[in-house]
Amino acid sequence: SAVISQKPSRDICQRGTSLTIQCQVDSQVTMMFWYRQQPGQSLTLIATANQGSEATYESGFVIDKFPISRPNLTFSTLTVSNMSPEDSSIYLCSATTTGSGAFFGQGTRLTVV
Amino acid sequence: GDSVTQMEGPVTLSEEAFLTINCTYTATGYPSLFWYVQYPGEGLQLLLKATKADDKGSNKGFEATYRKETTSFHLEKGSVQVSDSAVYFCALYAGGTSYGKLTFGQGTILTVHP
Repeated sequence: SAVISQKPSRDICQRGTSLTIQCQVDSQVTMMFWYRQQPGQSLTLIATANQGSEATYESGFVIDKFPISRPNLTFSTLTVSNMSPEDSSIYLCSATTTGSGAFFGQGTRLTVV
Repeated sequence: GDSVTQMEGPVTLSEEAFLTINCTYTATGYPSLFWYVQYPGEGLQLLLKATKADDKGSNKGFEATYRKETTSFHLEKGSVQVSDSAVYFCALYAGGTSYGKLTFGQGTILTVHP
């Protein structure tokens, strides 16, 4: 299994600012993903982080709002841009390896005030 | 599209009671099925999985059987403990061009009282 470290673990941010969340995996993985979990809700996939190319976004999510980078096989960042209170959520990084299912980081609990 | 439906919650049980959390799915093809658990203030942990029909996943006393005929993957445990209190998510991986993306159910909050 892969161990995923996410940071920060939580933050309180002012509206209109941006926050970058980092995700580091302890081994090379096939795929990396970013999910959002709004309060009391299930997980919604934001995008697939592609190594060395632009991320693939799900319906309802756009690059200008959630720019993502993945410069190598074990590291990715998600930026939440121009934040509003509606962006208050837990953001989770996920990674998959062939045949092992998906592993998740601890999540970043974001509060926008 | 693919979807996962979990039983309505929250579920409240006494310690040592029997637990069932229902999960049904809709998918094209033959998905892999998972149960994840989220303890308070933490991320998701993989609890168990099954990759083909009639497979039984098991871990920490929890079990779930992949039933293709009923498109179900119900989670069971014979005797719950207070430490099992968490949110449980059923999820599927559709395979093919999904490339590892998971579709999650809405989650079921389980509270176990002493």
